[in-house]
Amino acid sequence: EDKVVQSPLSLVVHEGDTVTLNCSYEVTNFRSLLWYKQEKKAPTFLFMLTSSGIEKKSGRLSSILDKKELFSILNITATQTGDSAIYLCASNAGGTSYGKLTFGQGTILTVHP
Amino acid sequence: GAVVSQHPSRVICKSGTSVKIECRSLDFQATTMFWYRQFPKQSLMLMATSNEGSKATYEQGVEKDKFLINHASLTLSTLTVTSAHPEDSSFYICSADRGTREAFFGQGTRLTVV
Repeated sequence: EDKVVQSPLSLVVHEGDTVTLNCSYEVTNFRSLLWYKQEKKAPTFLFMLTSSGIEKKSGRLSSILDKKELFSILNITATQTGDSAIYLCASNAGGTSYGKLTFGQGTILTVHP
Repeated sequence: GAVVSQHPSRVICKSGTSVKIECRSLDFQATTMFWYRQFPKQSLMLMATSNEGSKATYEQGVEKDKFLINHASLTLSTLTVTSAHPEDSSFYICSADRGTREAFFGQGTRLTVV
């Protein structure tokens, strides 16, 4: 059974701090790893990673995948209160639809002013 | 980007009644859609894969007679929670596969059974 584990489960920081969220996975026939941000409703897509060592970046967020060690990290620099959310990591396996995802438990990030 | 619309966004129903949730892909055809459930402070758990024109594929532990899925067209999948009970109260969310490398999520439905 495919498994995705995130850590920490929750994190409280102050504005301006940098945070690193972790995601490890055990997936048969791994194809991709995805990061989502969830506020009150549907998750919004952040990154999809398929290759090791290639950093993806979007503003203050960046993510990288290590397929040898089976993990990914999501970094957020200069955090803002608007970054407060649940961050979800999910895996997708080859041979299945791209939409079929196994999610981790999520990391609840709280950014205080 | 692709849009997936889910309706209703919130529903409160009495115990023992059935509730239907719709998931529509608005600007693309989706042969496959997915239904997830999320309990408070927990992650999304895949319930079933909805296949257009054929039976849904349910994940282990999900009762197919309780959670009826119908995918009658390429743009619409419905999830019916039959004989709902308070323990079925949850956030239900669908996603659709457009055949690109990304899943598009609906807004979710918060179901409260009283």
